[in-house]
Amino acid sequence: GQNIDQPTEMTATEGAIVQINCTYQTSGFNGLFWYQQHAGEAPTFLSYNVLDGLEEKGRFSSFLSRSKGYSYLLLKELQMKDSASYLCAVRDQEYGGATNKLIFGTGTLLAVQP
Amino acid sequence: DAMVIQNPRYQVTQFGKPVTLSCSQTLNHNVMYWYQQKSSQAPKLLFHYYDKDFNNEADTPDNFQSRRPNTSFCFLDIRSPGLGDAAMYLCATSRVQLAKNIQYFGAGTRLSVL
Repeated sequence: GQNIDQPTEMTATEGAIVQINCTYQTSGFNGLFWYQQHAGEAPTFLSYNVLDGLEEKGRFSSFLSRSKGYSYLLLKELQMKDSASYLCAVRDQEYGGATNKLIFGTGTLLAVQP
Repeated sequence: DAMVIQNPRYQVTQFGKPVTLSCSQTLNHNVMYWYQQKSSQAPKLLFHYYDKDFNNEADTPDNFQSRRPNTSFCFLDIRSPGLGDAAMYLCATSRVQLAKNIQYFGAGTRLSVL
């Protein structure tokens, strides 16, 4: 079966660092994506990992360990505008083929406090 | 700017009254997807088009249909909306030939059923 787990909610302080974890169990694996979704808006792409290791992109970094079925998204120098839901999504090779079916987690709602 | 556009942003319909949601894209992507997202839940893939080829998810109700008259446009038809169909409907696009094959989302249409 397909299963992606993320914490439901997290709270952090402005200026701090927060790590959002994601564990997955899928039939196959062909990449992991992180999306940011503000309330009532569409998900926007943040990062992509297909090989083990860390991908850094400004204040955002994402890490992947395929052997552990584990990823995290690291947000540095938190700003109030980072308050949003963060969705972890896995591209499952069983379904992917030439197209791109993503299995989404339910998201982690991050609240950044002053 | 190239983008994925969904109209309308908010749609109210009556129980059992057919409704059509639209999505257009200027990215020249060959794959278009429709997701349903209910409050605090993960986006759920309903179906996708790879060029003109329609791919339905096994658990998508027959009440949901889709049309893609050309590369730029894709429609979601709900033939007889029920109260349980009230949700955010997200359109996404991707281009298979691109290395990461990232899905880009529109702003969504929030459907209310009275």
